Amino acid sequence: EVQLVQSGAEVKKPGESLKISCKGSGYSFTSYWIGWVRQMPGKGLEWMGIIYPGDSDTRYSPSFQGQVTISADKSISTAYLQWSSLKASDTAMYYCARHFIAVADNFDAFDIWGQGTMVTVSS
Amino acid sequence: DIQMTQSPSSVSASVGDRVTITCRASQGISSWLAWYQQKPGKAPKLLIYAASSLQSGVPSRFSGSGSGTDFTLTISSLQPEDFATYYCQQANSFPRTFGPGTKVDIK
Repeated sequence: EVQLVQSGAEVKKPGESLKISCKGSGYSFTSYWIGWVRQMPGKGLEWMGIIYPGDSDTRYSPSFQGQVTISADKSISTAYLQWSSLKASDTAMYYCARHFIAVADNFDAFDIWGQGTMVTVSS
Repeated sequence: DIQMTQSPSSVSASVGDRVTITCRASQGISSWLAWYQQKPGKAPKLLIYAASSLQSGVPSRFSGSGSGTDFTLTISSLQPEDFATYYCQQANSFPRTFGPGTKVDIK
């Protein structure tokens, strides 16, 4: 079964660092982009960025560039999203998702999603 | 960035109703558009890619159409499990962007 399993919920204080994970299984992890999506409480979906674990090529949304770091360890089929200094406004659910691209079929979408990691930042 | 808008922001409907949601891109995106369904407390689920192609396993009552800047998602006969929020997402250029969502709830 193709799946992405994310790390558990986190409660942090402003200024702290954090790294959450997303482990892929059931498919060739290095052959597909993995993306991260933010959903603030009661709000919509925001595309943060993607990484290609095969060569660590990374693309960020300008809204998140410099605010987070996306990385991957292909040896353990895991992608990461990290913050060096959290803010209260980082409180949100974060989803990872497999970004499937098949140009011949015009297929470009997040086809497999993780269960989400809730990050709460509060003093 | 390409901006995505959706209308309506919410719609109240009954089981069996036909529901249509519109998505508009701020510039032409050909057919590079996906639709997702999200139920409360759950991760989004891919419904449609390439504007009109049904993802495997998705019921045929869902359909998508459009190209360029204007797109629609149609649910031909609303079922109880379809009450959810629906998002469009452009896949034409980086950064990919989502629409603000349309909530479909029970009338």
